[in-house]
Amino acid sequence: EDQVTQSPEALRLQEGESSSLNCSYTVSGLRGLFWYRQDPGKGPEFLFTLYSAGEEKEKERLKATLTKKESFLHITAPKPEDSATYLCAVITQGGSEKLVFGKGTKLTVNP
Amino acid sequence: DAGVIQSPRHEVTEMGQEVTLRCKPISGHNSLFWYRQTMMRGLELLIYFNNNVPIDDSGMPEDRFSAKMPNASFSTLKIQPSEPRDSAVYFCASSFRGGGRNIQYFGAGTRLSVL
Repeated sequence: EDQVTQSPEALRLQEGESSSLNCSYTVSGLRGLFWYRQDPGKGPEFLFTLYSAGEEKEKERLKATLTKKESFLHITAPKPEDSATYLCAVITQGGSEKLVFGKGTKLTVNP
Repeated sequence: DAGVIQSPRHEVTEMGQEVTLRCKPISGHNSLFWYRQTMMRGLELLIYFNNNVPIDDSGMPEDRFSAKMPNASFSTLKIQPSEPRDSAVYFCASSFRGGGRNIQYFGAGTRLSVL
């Protein structure tokens, strides 16, 4: 069974304190890995897709990386507005469009 | 584009009542997904459609749940009869299948409370 595990469950940072979130996956064959951001009371918002090991994507203070077993979301010099839950999901080989989500990391950035 | 539109945003009902959730996907998208989010289980896929045809309904919890997509711009998720354990946030998402990107865009969700 395909599984996605995110760690830590919750992370508190001071403004400007860089850190990383982890997403490890066990799948039959990876077709793509997705990062979403979810704010309270809202739906997940797409951030990045990674397709192959070694690939990196950046957006403002966020950088996502991918290996054969895990992905990291690096947050550089975070600001309070980066506070949110970050969700990781995978789509596997074959024709299915099904996304399997991890339970997320709740990030709080204090000013 | 207005994005994925879900209604209602909040629904409070009593056990045993029928509940219908609605979704309008992004125009031009050909795949539509229904998810349920709870603290315990996170975000789980219930069912998805491609070109209005149900493709994978393995996540539908039981026969009390049903989903339809009568046309490319509208879908419903129905629970009949509803139970307190159905209380959750239900999300609809849509994507364009083609070109290999498979990016799903989510609506704001419907928060369902069954008393």
